[in-house]
Parts: sequence; C-alpha cells; structure tokens
Amino acid sequence: GESVGLHLPTLSVQEGDNSIINCAYSNSASDYFIWYKQESGKGPQFIIDIRSNMDKRQGQRVTVLLNKTVKHLSLQIAATQPGDSAVYFCAEKAGGTSYGKLTFGQGTILTVHP
Amino acid sequence: DAGVTQSPTHLIKTRGQQVTLRCSPKSGHDTVSWYQQALGQGPQFIFQYYEEEERQRGNFPDRFSGHQFPNYSSELNVNALLLGDSALYLCASSSGGGIWNSPLHFGNGTRLTVT
Repeated sequence: GESVGLHLPTLSVQEGDNSIINCAYSNSASDYFIWYKQESGKGPQFIIDIRSNMDKRQGQRVTVLLNKTVKHLSLQIAATQPGDSAVYFCAEKAGGTSYGKLTFGQGTILTVHP
Repeated sequence: DAGVTQSPTHLIKTRGQQVTLRCSPKSGHDTVSWYQQALGQGPQFIFQYYEEEERQRGNFPDRFSGHQFPNYSSELNVNALLLGDSALYLCASSSGGGIWNSPLHFGNGTRLTVT
C-alpha cells in the first residue's frame, strides 16, 4: 500500500545552520508532494510543494528536492532560526482521482538551539 | 482574509456518545477535507467534500460521516464514540475542486477526548 516515511524522527541544529529533513515514499504513482510545518497546538502549515515533473523548487529560505529514481524527497532550510522549531511532515498525492487525499509521513521533530 | 476555522477547539465526550465538529473553509475555497491526527502521528485522511457530496473516503468506518453546506462549510459527525477516536481532527480546504496542484490549507483542529 501507499506509505510515506521519514529517515530521521528528530533533528537538532544550531541557529544559523542549514537543516535537511528527508522523506522516502513508496507509491510510484505519486505526482505531487508537499512539505508542512506543524507547531504545537496548531494545524499543519503549508511550506512548499513540488510536482513530479520537477526535481527542485525554491522558496524563501527553503528548497525541496525530489529524486523520483529512489523515491526520495528532502526539505532544506537555510539559516535555521529558533522559530523553525516544529514537526515537519512530507505528504504525497497520487495521480488520477485522488483529488485532495494526502498521505502523510510520521514527521520529523526539528529543534533549533539558539 | 480568514483562514480555515474550526469549532470547537476542544471537546470531551463519553464512550458511546455522538459528536459534531464544524469547519469553515478559507475564503475562495470550495473543497473541504477532514483528517484525523493521533498523538505523535501524521494526519490520516477521513473524507473529502466537494459540491456538497462526499467525493472520496479513506479507511474509516461508517460511524464517521459528514456534510457540506451550500456556503462550502462542513461538518464531521462521529457516532458511537470509542476511546480510540480521541485525536486531533483537522479540516483542510482547497480551491478548484481540489485538483492536484492546489495545496491544502489546514485549520488548527478540534482536540477530541473520549473518556
């Protein structure tokens, strides 16, 4: 069945460092991927998305890389700040009639130390 | 511009009871999806509503039902509550009928505790 998983459940970095959060997916039919940030007591907040016809997309301080050959997704956060501390989820959507159904991984806890 | 709003924020129910959760989508959005998030896990898809109909459903029993109103707001109903239904229930909205390149925007959820 479909599954999206993360290699590392926790990541601890110093303020100013670059962070890389990894994600593996198993559904080769997935054609759309999203990274969400979830802070305590809040819902997931959209960070960045990427379609399967791309291998890289950049936003403000964030970059998502997609390697379809090995079914791997990563989120890079530049100059990580204490406010970036949260749980990060990757999510995927299969093509066809999956509409809004996202399949989420378990999440990675990012802790940024001042 | 209001984002996705959910009510109530917290709720405590007893086993066997029924509960109704409410969601107003982000302005301009017409599609509403519901997710269940257990503690320490990622959200799990329950179902999606578009044009007042359930369009897709995840692996949840019939005790979970929903409704979408003409103004695009939505309700999630859970009957015969079990202890395992305790979770954060998230509503997400999107535009354009929920096509694949329209990211979901989530509300802050309703924390349901079943005792």
